[in-house]
Amino acid sequence: DTAVSQTPKYLVTQMGNDKSIKCEQNLGHDTMYWYKQDSKKFLKIMFSYNNKELIINETVPNRFSPKSPDKAHLNLHINSLELGDSAVYFCASKGDNEQFFGPGTRLTVL
Amino acid sequence: RKEVEQDPGPFNVPEGATVAFNCTYSNSASQSFFWYRQDCRKEPKLLMSVYSSGNEDGRFTAQLNRASQYISLLIRDSKLSDSATYLCAVNIRLRMDSSYKLIFGSGTRLLVRP
Repeated sequence: DTAVSQTPKYLVTQMGNDKSIKCEQNLGHDTMYWYKQDSKKFLKIMFSYNNKELIINETVPNRFSPKSPDKAHLNLHINSLELGDSAVYFCASKGDNEQFFGPGTRLTVL
Repeated sequence: RKEVEQDPGPFNVPEGATVAFNCTYSNSASQSFFWYRQDCRKEPKLLMSVYSSGNEDGRFTAQLNRASQYISLLIRDSKLSDSATYLCAVNIRLRMDSSYKLIFGSGTRLLVRP
């Protein structure tokens, strides 16, 4: 069974569109994250939720809105997509010591 | 200045070589330290935690120098399968309620050639 899963794996869309990425973990962890990895491979935290509560919100445009319906899910909705949003988005969940990453969603904005 | 800095490489080494990566961090309140491995087009996976006394896992040795604020990773007897990007990560405590933020370096790419 996949510990952290994301859908879709690839997302190609036009500028100005709204899209969502879904994430689910079956590890029973309380804390989940969204990271963005840009073309230079720099992996940067965007949001963190602990048991459905937002605890980290880095300086991310408010076009990005995370939603956690329950502690096993953390979805990311992006409004009015821009070219600069093209990146790989990783979801992660945190155990005692280790963060487990999902396989990533490669977003391309045309 | 970036919070966590690494030499981006690439390091191009022959099989069997020993290679060392260094990583520096700027936040002296950093709590814990890690090395992650990321293969091309894959997610990062934890390689090892880094403890103050230094720790070893097979061919991999990690060390932490809190005074100088750097961590290192040594890979002995490199294998072709070690080719990947190695990311150092530093855990920073945000609040007394034990919430943490993991800050990653930009990664060092390793290419092991036959």
